Amino acid sequence: GIQVEQSPPDLILQEGANSTLRCNFSDSVNNLQWFHQNPWGQLINLFYIPSGTKQNGRLSATTVATERYSLLYISSSQTTDSGVYFCAVDSDSWGKLQFGAGTQVVVTP
Amino acid sequence: GAVVSQHPSRVICKSGTSVKIECRSLDFQATTMFWYRQFPKQSLMLMATSNEGSKATYEQGVEKDKFLINHASLTLSTLTVTSAHPEDSSFYICSADNSGANVLTFGAGSRLTVL
Repeated sequence: GIQVEQSPPDLILQEGANSTLRCNFSDSVNNLQWFHQNPWGQLINLFYIPSGTKQNGRLSATTVATERYSLLYISSSQTTDSGVYFCAVDSDSWGKLQFGAGTQVVVTP
Repeated sequence: GAVVSQHPSRVICKSGTSVKIECRSLDFQATTMFWYRQFPKQSLMLMATSNEGSKATYEQGVEKDKFLINHASLTLSTLTVTSAHPEDSSFYICSADNSGANVLTFGAGSRLTVL
């Protein structure tokens, strides 16, 4: 099956800092989504981005499908950005997402 | 926006009992729903695909007799953990395919603790 690798595994940021999270995948994909899992476990969809660039407030994402990677940018980080960020993809069957291991982000005041 | 509701959010049960978890799409119909399991500090692992009106399809290594899935309507899928044991303790999360939106919507999860 498709392999999904996320880096870094952990990230500690001071409030106001910018950061970049990376997701590499081993095969072409139909779907790529970035999620934020809050401390209570709720997964919040951030972006549906199998290719191209999108922005939503302080967050933006870019997927270069031909090179099989996606980047999530967090600008001017806030403590509420803390949590685990997951990249998930599917390739041969819509909706059967393969998740990466996640990046644990801690934003300190 | 699309909302998926899971119930219960937390459940504690004794070893050997069965537990049912519900996943409902509140404002859209979902012919397909997906069930995931997440152990502490780990990622989500797909367990099965729930298909309305037909049998669920299970991922390799997931026991279909242990994790019974029923998708009886276009808005409800249930996961029953039968004869639960402590090793079944986990966070179970469902997602639904909001057809046409190209986005999978996830429920808030159900935390199962088996004593």
